Amino acid sequence: EPEVTQTPSHQVTQMGQEVILRCVPISNHLYFYWYRQILGQKVEFLVSFYNNEISEKSEIFDDQFSVERPDGSNFTLKIRSTKLEDSAMYFCASDGGPLNTEAFFGQGTRLTVV
Amino acid sequence: KQEVTQIPAALSVPEGENLVLNCSFTDSAIYNLQWFRQDPGKGLTSLLLIQSSQREQTSGRLNASLDKSSGRSTLYIAASQPGDSATYLCAVVETSYDKVIFGPGTSLSVIP
Repeated sequence: EPEVTQTPSHQVTQMGQEVILRCVPISNHLYFYWYRQILGQKVEFLVSFYNNEISEKSEIFDDQFSVERPDGSNFTLKIRSTKLEDSAMYFCASDGGPLNTEAFFGQGTRLTVV
Repeated sequence: KQEVTQIPAALSVPEGENLVLNCSFTDSAIYNLQWFRQDPGKGLTSLLLIQSSQREQTSGRLNASLDKSSGRSTLYIAASQPGDSATYLCAVVETSYDKVIFGPGTSLSVIP
């Protein structure tokens, strides 16, 4: 069964460093998303991406964050200068589109900022 | 703004019991509703997805119902087992290809 793949599963980084979280969405999907879940809290929407541009972003997704689809298969989330409060589980999701809407989630990347 | 709530926040039951988890959403104009399972520190496992035109979905011992007009969904787990212990998340999508809006989850513990 097709699945969304995220790498790495766990990343530890120093405060102020840049991190890139990687995702390989399901191959024929058109819509891509990032979510985050701070420990003990709700899963929160960060950003959606379609047709090579951001279609919606939340107030969490400030100038420190960016997304990119650098090639035909990867979808990345970059955090430019990490803060302690960026520590969370980050989930990538992809969706096939209007006729078969169902978001498929990756298993997450746990980001720890020290 | 759509809000999803779940009751109870935590539940502890003896093995073998049937149980119901509740989910409410504030805006009934949803596209679909999905139930997920999350084990501690792990990812999201999709359990059931109900389209807005459907009333319920079943998978094994799980049955999810949807009442759009009242803004409610329930997840029924029959004959609970210790392996069912996890957090169960309810989530809605308001239009096709829109973001998923999650509830806070119900933490379930099934005692052997």
